[in-house]
Amino acid sequence: QSVLTQPPSASGTPGQRVTISCSGSRANIGSNSVYWYQQLPGTAPKLLIYADDQRPSGVPDRFSASKSGTSASLAISGLRSEDEADYYCAAWDDGLTASYVFGSGTKVTVL
Amino acid sequence: QITLKESGPTLVKPTQTLTLTCTFSKFSLSTSGVGVGWIRQPPGKALEWLALIYWDDDQRYSPSLKSRLTITKDTSKNQVVLRMTNMNPVDTATYFCAHRIPYNDAFDVWGQGIMVTVSS
Repeated sequence: QSVLTQPPSASGTPGQRVTISCSGSRANIGSNSVYWYQQLPGTAPKLLIYADDQRPSGVPDRFSASKSGTSASLAISGLRSEDEADYYCAAWDDGLTASYVFGSGTKVTVL
Repeated sequence: QITLKESGPTLVKPTQTLTLTCTFSKFSLSTSGVGVGWIRQPPGKALEWLALIYWDDDQRYSPSLKSRLTITKDTSKNQVVLRMTNMNPVDTATYFCAHRIPYNDAFDVWGQGIMVTVSS
């Protein structure tokens, strides 16, 4: 089981807004930055968000993220067919041994 | 632009040791703040972080796999090597290496990945 919990799936029609949650604990999201990655089918993951809510250059502003306490969320507004992918949150976990942890992943389907 | 590419065997037998090499370009692992990590993904499953090596040779490992992993770097060759001992069929996965943004824990550039199957 992943340390960071995400819903297995989310969906929306083109143009809609979809939100993905990522639930953690004080040891990870509660005390460290959150990152979001997008993985299109058959490809390597791509960095979407770093430092909780920052977009790397080239990432459309349709993607936004936020964090509150021990939870984080990624929002995709103006959903497009090319957004159909798996999305993963990630963070460092300051447990007994510090480690980088990924969420369980959310499959976004564009209906 | 930064690139990374994984290489190594695509088929290993149970109990063998896997050695994967990540060859990168357009950055140096001797630059302050830089790191290279390894992440794997079993077929149809989630990403799993394995290890990370920093410019100063600090190494971090997944607690659950620490006893089986060794990550090293060769700055002159622009390579990072991951060794995983005692391979098991459950280790069948695509293995990715990725560049860590200096002084930031985001992996901003990833290799294409290499699919490793563990089978006798």
